[in-house]
Amino acid sequence: NAGVTQTPKFRVLKTGQSMTLLCAQDMNHEYMYWYRQDPGMGLRLIHYSVGEGTTAKGEVPDGYNVSRLKKQNFLLGLESAAPSQTSVYFCASSRDRNEQYFGPGTRLTVT
Amino acid sequence: AQSVAQPEDQVNVAEGNPLTVKCTYSVSGNPYLFWYVQYPNRGLQFLLKYITGDNLVKGSYGFEAEFNKSQTSFHLKKPSALVSDSALYFCAVRDSPGGFKTIFGAGTRLFVKA
Repeated sequence: NAGVTQTPKFRVLKTGQSMTLLCAQDMNHEYMYWYRQDPGMGLRLIHYSVGEGTTAKGEVPDGYNVSRLKKQNFLLGLESAAPSQTSVYFCASSRDRNEQYFGPGTRLTVT
Repeated sequence: AQSVAQPEDQVNVAEGNPLTVKCTYSVSGNPYLFWYVQYPNRGLQFLLKYITGDNLVKGSYGFEAEFNKSQTSFHLKKPSALVSDSALYFCAVRDSPGGFKTIFGAGTRLFVKA
């Protein structure tokens, strides 16, 4: 039982490049979330999903897109990376709307 | 709008002493409150939650939290701190009883000195 896994762990992009972050969970959770963590700002919700095939915007969705084609996977895409998207990205899942289980994070640097 | 505040950026405590990490919240309706811990280079781990019931909630690793409705607080406590408790602690609140979003505080760094 791996819990929540994220791929890749680290990535460096140049401004304007695109990439996709993959999140996978093996707990059969309905809800999945993407957050970004910046120093002194806690975690901010980017997008979330309440089930397979659904997505919704969170607090800071601009510049990101998501897809949830399979229940166990939640993809976060950056179409044209900007330096302001330098951050640590966390994926999480939950069985209901309460406690969330987090992945180990992806550290992204955009130069 | 729902919000949560952690008034201390850092808390320092000696090993063996009791610790408190403070959290206050603002919600409309009944609050759904959570504490998470983050160790270096790791994701957040769930510690405990308050949904309803007893005001004193017990969680993982010997932590507990006290819900105080009149003071709109949900402080995290532990009777005897360990060096291994040193980490970043986040208080969080669900945005509404029927909502899907969790709002996180900015975090409090706990240092436990041997």
